Amino acid sequence: GQQVMQIPQYQHVQEGEDFTTYCNSSTTLSNIQWYKQRPGGHPVFLIQLVKSGEVKKQKRLTFQFGEAKKNSSLHITATQTTDVGTYFCAVLNAGNNRKLIWGLGTSLAVNP
Amino acid sequence: GAGVSQSPSNKVTEKGKDVELRCDPISGHTALYWYRQSLGQGLEFLIYFQGNSAPDKSGLPSDRFSAERTGGSVSTLTIQRTQQEDSAVYLCASSRGAPEQFFGPGTRLTVL
Repeated sequence: GQQVMQIPQYQHVQEGEDFTTYCNSSTTLSNIQWYKQRPGGHPVFLIQLVKSGEVKKQKRLTFQFGEAKKNSSLHITATQTTDVGTYFCAVLNAGNNRKLIWGLGTSLAVNP
Repeated sequence: GAGVSQSPSNKVTEKGKDVELRCDPISGHTALYWYRQSLGQGLEFLIYFQGNSAPDKSGLPSDRFSAERTGGSVSTLTIQRTQQEDSAVYLCASSRGAPEQFFGPGTRLTVL
């Protein structure tokens, strides 16, 4: 079935360093969503990308959708301890456009 | 307005017992999803309801799992004859039709 690969699985950074997580698919995607889950919390929607080559920014977070719409990245500039959590990408299932296929997530730890 | 609510927040049960988990979606949201998340893992899709359509049950791991959604609103996930491997956080999400999903706080199920 359709899968999305998310790397890395874990990342430890010092506060102030940058962080990037990548999401890759073997098939062309109609859109991609990013969610953040704080430790002990539930996933919270961050953003959706739909256009080839799209770049969106939310403060220190930059989201990109690849030109071929097969990959995406989330980049955090100058991480803070509040950025700690797991970042998931999710894509619409090819056969059912209401069902999301989830990556396994990238867990980010930030050392103060 | 109120977000997605789930009850109970925690459930401890003995192996072999049945459990019912409840989800109250955001009012007006036609789509409702159940996921399972084991410790440190990604989201495992279980079942999806959309309006009056037949639910997508493709993610239910066994026939011990069932779910219903009454009146297009509240949903109950039932696990019969619980096993220790059923221990996880069960997350409910709802959507108004847009791809973005809004998650509840989850029910942490522990099977002894």
